[in-house]
Amino acid sequence: GAVVSQHPSRVICKSGTSVKIECRSLDFQATTMFWYRQFPKQSLMLMATSNEGSKATYEQGVEKDKFLINHASLTLSTLTVTSAHPEDSSFYICSANTRSASEQYFGPGTRLTVT
Amino acid sequence: QKEVEQNSGPLSVPEGAIASLNCTYSDRGSQSFFWYRQYSGKSPELIMSIYSNGDKEDGRFTAQLNKASQYVSLLIRDSQPSDSATYLCAVTEGSNYKLTFGKGTLLTVNP
Repeated sequence: GAVVSQHPSRVICKSGTSVKIECRSLDFQATTMFWYRQFPKQSLMLMATSNEGSKATYEQGVEKDKFLINHASLTLSTLTVTSAHPEDSSFYICSANTRSASEQYFGPGTRLTVT
Repeated sequence: QKEVEQNSGPLSVPEGAIASLNCTYSDRGSQSFFWYRQYSGKSPELIMSIYSNGDKEDGRFTAQLNKASQYVSLLIRDSQPSDSATYLCAVTEGSNYKLTFGKGTLLTVNP
């Protein structure tokens, strides 16, 4: 299957600072990338859909000014959590689709802790 | 609102048995169907995709799709303790590739 990486795998930051998470498709070009958040013992929650070269589409209730998404190339999307607060602490996971298939491959996730 | 329903479990089976996981979906326009496995603290891993009615086999896994009944299932033969995880059913409609997930079924395989 296709490989998606994320960096960093784990990050601790102080309240009020910003954190950038990178998502890369390593062996394919991703037409679309997705960003999810998952709280402990809860389902995946889709935050936004990102297409290369265009603005991300955010799900209802997700603040676009707080969660900045940039999809500058067919292999890289970034999520920046701005002015992070403890309630933003969560497991952030990206995924990507190949050009020719609807199969979605997930990155390993980034565990964010805001102190 | 599109919904994907799964029994949350836990589903407990002995090692070597067949585990049967079920999923129903509400949107008749759904076209693609997936099963993901998620270990605790890890991200989901795609294990099966199915697009047309019938069965699809891959090793110990068999996915079954019945669009008329809006039902998709996953059978795991010769279950192993390493299969213990949460299994997520997901569907997409059309070409937007956005997944709608069920809440997952926790499977425990007992040695």
